[in-house]
Amino acid sequence: AQSVTQLGSHVSVSEGALVLLRCNYSSSVPPYLFWYVQYPNQGLQLLLKYTSAATLVKGINGFEAEFKKSETSFHLTKPSAHMSDAAEYFCAVSERSSASKIIFGSGTRLSIRP
Amino acid sequence: DAGVIQSPRHEVTEMGQEVTLRCKPISGHDYLFWYRQTMMRGLELLIYFNNNVPIDDSGMPEDRFSAKMPNASFSTLKIQPSEPRDSAVYFCASSIGGSYQSYGYTFGSGTRLTVV
Repeated sequence: AQSVTQLGSHVSVSEGALVLLRCNYSSSVPPYLFWYVQYPNQGLQLLLKYTSAATLVKGINGFEAEFKKSETSFHLTKPSAHMSDAAEYFCAVSERSSASKIIFGSGTRLSIRP
Repeated sequence: DAGVIQSPRHEVTEMGQEVTLRCKPISGHDYLFWYRQTMMRGLELLIYFNNNVPIDDSGMPEDRFSAKMPNASFSTLKIQPSEPRDSAVYFCASSIGGSYQSYGYTFGSGTRLTVV
């Protein structure tokens, strides 16, 4: 069965610093991978997705993620953090064999220090 | 497009009462999902529908929970009787053709349920 593990339930960076949120996946078949963001009191919003095209995926708000099969990773990065990036971020996986179901990680809360 | 619409936004009820959560998916989306979010368990998929038919309800915690989708534009999640441990944020999401054919799921803003 597929699953994702997000390393670090809370990450804090300074404004302008690099953001790195880690995600490792487990899947018996090639997966689809996603990053979602959740702002306080809101639903989840899709940041980006990997569906087997380019391994480096660019999303909204300057975020990107790289699919590394050898490391079973899909880490999310942003070169320069902004105060508005403070939110909860979820990595998610879906197996291609049953692609209509997404399994979410436990989430990483990103805080931005002024 | 108004997005996925959930109602109510907040619900406070007493233990033992029936609770009904409502969801209107995006027009044209053929998949609908119900998730529950808690601090302890994170996001859990409860049930999902395809073309109004329940496909997988293995995440429904127990018989007290039921979900219906009488038509393409409306779904309900019912808890009867409710218990304090049901307190959570319940999200509805919709999608076209599963997770890969569109930009993932579109989530509603959620219903925050508190059972006292």
